[in-house]
Amino acid sequence: AQSVTQLGSHVSVSEGALVLLRCNYSSSVPPYLFWYVQYPNQGLQLLLKYTSAATLVKGINGFEAEFKKSETSFHLTKPSAHMSDAAEYFCAVSLLYNQGGKLIFGQGTELSVKP
Amino acid sequence: GAVVSQHPSWVICKSGTSVKIECRSLDFQATTMFWYRQFPKQSLMLMATSNEGSKATYEQGVEKDKFLINHASLTLSTLTVTSAHPEDSSFYICSASEDEGGETQYFGPGTRLLVL
Repeated sequence: AQSVTQLGSHVSVSEGALVLLRCNYSSSVPPYLFWYVQYPNQGLQLLLKYTSAATLVKGINGFEAEFKKSETSFHLTKPSAHMSDAAEYFCAVSLLYNQGGKLIFGQGTELSVKP
Repeated sequence: GAVVSQHPSWVICKSGTSVKIECRSLDFQATTMFWYRQFPKQSLMLMATSNEGSKATYEQGVEKDKFLINHASLTLSTLTVTSAHPEDSSFYICSASEDEGGETQYFGPGTRLLVL
């Protein structure tokens, strides 16, 4: 069965520092992987997605993620954190092939950015 | 593009009443819509998947008679929480996809339900 594990429910960085949010997946078929961001009391916004093309995926707001099959990872990075990046981040795997595109979400990582 | 709206954004109701939440895709036709539930400080849990013109597929443990889903058009899906109770209080989020496989889901802003 497909699953997603996000390491660290809370990550705190200083403004300007590197952001690294970890995500590991488990999937019996080649996965589609996503990162979403959620601001308080709002829905989810797609940051980026991996759909079996380039392993390094660039998204919005300066974020990028690298798909590493050997490590079953899809970690999210940003070179320099901004105060506006403070939010909840969710990694998700899509059960695209036989489950109608259902998303399985990780537990979420809350990112705090200190001035 | 790819905007999804939800209405209402906030609803408070008395225990035993029914509440309807609308999810609309504003600038695309949504072949597939998904309904999620999110508890405070927790992840999203898929409740059901709906395709236009057909019955919704509910996840295990979700009561279909409690959470009625209708996907009557390619731009509108509704979730009705019937005979709501305090334990139904939650944040309900819908998403919509242009393709049947749901490769990319676009999420609505969510509806906060409080049952007194």
